Amino acid sequence: DAGVTQSPTHLIKTRGQQVTLRCSPKSGHDTVSWYQQALGQGPQFIFQYYEEEERQRGNFPDRFSGHQFPNYSSELNVNALLLGDSALYLCASTYPGQASGTQYFGPGTRLLVL
Amino acid sequence: AQSVSQHNHHVILSEAASLELGCNYSYGGTVNLFWYVQYPGQHLQLLLKYFSGDPLVKGIKGFEAEFIKSKFSFNLRKPSVQWSDTAEYFCAVKEGSQGNLIFGKGTKLSVKP
Repeated sequence: DAGVTQSPTHLIKTRGQQVTLRCSPKSGHDTVSWYQQALGQGPQFIFQYYEEEERQRGNFPDRFSGHQFPNYSSELNVNALLLGDSALYLCASTYPGQASGTQYFGPGTRLLVL
Repeated sequence: AQSVSQHNHHVILSEAASLELGCNYSYGGTVNLFWYVQYPGQHLQLLLKYFSGDPLVKGIKGFEAEFIKSKFSFNLRKPSVQWSDTAEYFCAVKEGSQGNLIFGKGTKLSVKP
């Protein structure tokens, strides 16, 4: 049973560029949430996707956007990258019908903005 | 806004010592509570969770946590730690039917063999 997978594992970008991160949820899961984990901090909620729509959003600017595909996989896009966007980006998925249930995390994508 | 406090930034213990990591949250309504663990080089894994019922929750690897509603606390305990428990531990809270988790800053546990 495959867990949550994310790609790429590492990424280096420069300020002003745009980046797309990808996530495949755990088999059988339909809800995907994205989190940003800065160094030395706990993960912070960016947004959650369910039925291909953004269901809930945290306190992040519009530069952060996402998408969910019919197969439940998801993308996180960040435009106009800032140095402060350097972080580990985590994807989490949840079992069907339990959008407020237990979240299972992927290994993350480490983004470095120079 | 809801917040989660983890009192200890770094805890250092010898093997066989007892462990208690503190977690307090600020929301007064219905909450779901979680402890996640992140072993070195690995992803976040669920250690245990509380949704309702018995406030003493048992998780994997001998960990347990107690939900004390009056104290807004969900402390993690283990009677005897092992070197393999070296990891970072995160407390997280979810309000009611909201989908997002609110995490504490984490506690790094180092266990000396």
